[in-house]
Amino acid sequence: EAQVTQNPRYLITVTGKKLTVTCSQNMNHEYMSWYRQDPGLGLRQIYYSMNVEVTDKGDVPEGYKVSRKEKRNFPLILESPSPNQTSLYFCASSLSFRAYEKLFFGSGTQLSVL
Amino acid sequence: GENVEQHPSTLSVQEGDSAVIKCTYSDSASNYFPWYKQELGKRPQLIIDIRSNVGEKKDQRIAVTLNKTAKHFSLHITETQPEDSAVYFCAARPNTNAGKSTFGDGTTLTVKP
Repeated sequence: EAQVTQNPRYLITVTGKKLTVTCSQNMNHEYMSWYRQDPGLGLRQIYYSMNVEVTDKGDVPEGYKVSRKEKRNFPLILESPSPNQTSLYFCASSLSFRAYEKLFFGSGTQLSVL
Repeated sequence: GENVEQHPSTLSVQEGDSAVIKCTYSDSASNYFPWYKQELGKRPQLIIDIRSNVGEKKDQRIAVTLNKTAKHFSLHITETQPEDSAVYFCAARPNTNAGKSTFGDGTTLTVKP
């Protein structure tokens, strides 16, 4: 089944403890992106990747890192999480970076930083 | 950068009525405008989209209209049903930097039976 898989689904951590949220797609998509969703603020783009080894900042990249060493995987890294990074995170992918390509979203990761 | 404003933030209609959600964007380079539906606890899913060379697109009970001159686009849902209750997001993506996408803040639609 074609899908975008995120893990974990829920994560509770403490301030300063490094964590990684994984994202994997099995559709051979070139484009992948991370978003955070906060109440009343919609989806805000954190980082995106046009292809392997090509990443760029979205609108809210501070405090996050990403890497794209393989086409299927696009992990989101929080080196030193803080409470203001408590949020619902979505990974998404599309066939290419062209604007009109349909975005497929993962099921989300609810992160709480205490 | 792009700024997308979405109105209203909440909308309540009676079953069978129509619902309209409006978005405005600021970057004239944006040329792709998708709409997503997010049910409670679920992931966003694309329901309809429109490209800048088209003024209107329809898919059964939902339609999207685009006014490039005024930089606004709207989602129209006719004959609403309780299962249409969800949060709806508009978005804009530019042709010049298609990696970026900017979303509106969302509209919570409630359809009362």
